[in-house]
Amino acid sequence: EVQLLESGEGLVQPGGSLRLTCAGSGFSFSNYGIHWVRQAPGKGLEYVSGISGDGVSTYHADSVKGRFIISRDNYRKTVFLQMGSLRAEDTAVYFCARDNYYDGSGQGGMNWYFDLWGRGTQVTVSS
Amino acid sequence: DIQLTQSPAFLSASVGDRVTITCRASRVVSGDLAWYQQKPGKAPSLLIYSASTLESGVPSRFSGSGSGTEFTLTISNLQPEDFATYYCQLVNRYPQCTFGQGTKLEIK
Repeated sequence: EVQLLESGEGLVQPGGSLRLTCAGSGFSFSNYGIHWVRQAPGKGLEYVSGISGDGVSTYHADSVKGRFIISRDNYRKTVFLQMGSLRAEDTAVYFCARDNYYDGSGQGGMNWYFDLWGRGTQVTVSS
Repeated sequence: DIQLTQSPAFLSASVGDRVTITCRASRVVSGDLAWYQQKPGKAPSLLIYSASTLESGVPSRFSGSGSGTEFTLTISNLQPEDFATYYCQLVNRYPQCTFGQGTKLEIK
């Protein structure tokens, strides 16, 4: 089955750290960029971070730049989101999503459209 | 940064109706715009990308159009399963990825 599965849910104090994991299966993982999108309680969608299929290019929204780091391990078909200096406003459900561009050449291309989503994992930042 | 304004925020309609949701950008964009549907407690799903390309498996009653600063999602012949929240998403070449505020489509 083609799917993404997030893990790493947790409750963390302000200023703390947490690492989220996104595991892919059923598709050629290394040929797709992977992104993280979050949704605060009762709010809309917010783009967080993205990484190309080859892991060379990474992107972060201004709201998390300098605090979050995205990386990937294609052998284990996994993308990581290392979150640091967490704030109350980082509280949200975090979804990982696959870019809809098949990077057959391995040159790191992405379309930035998200055609496969995980179910999400909850991050709560509170004292 | 480009600002996205999605309207209306709430929309009430009946099964069989035709509805339109609009997304306006603060300046002219290249057309890299997508639409997503999200049901309560679920992840979003891609409906339309590149402003007007229907994602595989999405019913043809969904359509997208627009260019420049204004884009629309039209749903014809509303079905019960279409009542959900819809988001537009803009990608520019920076790259910058921005979502609209969402439109909640409710049954009248």
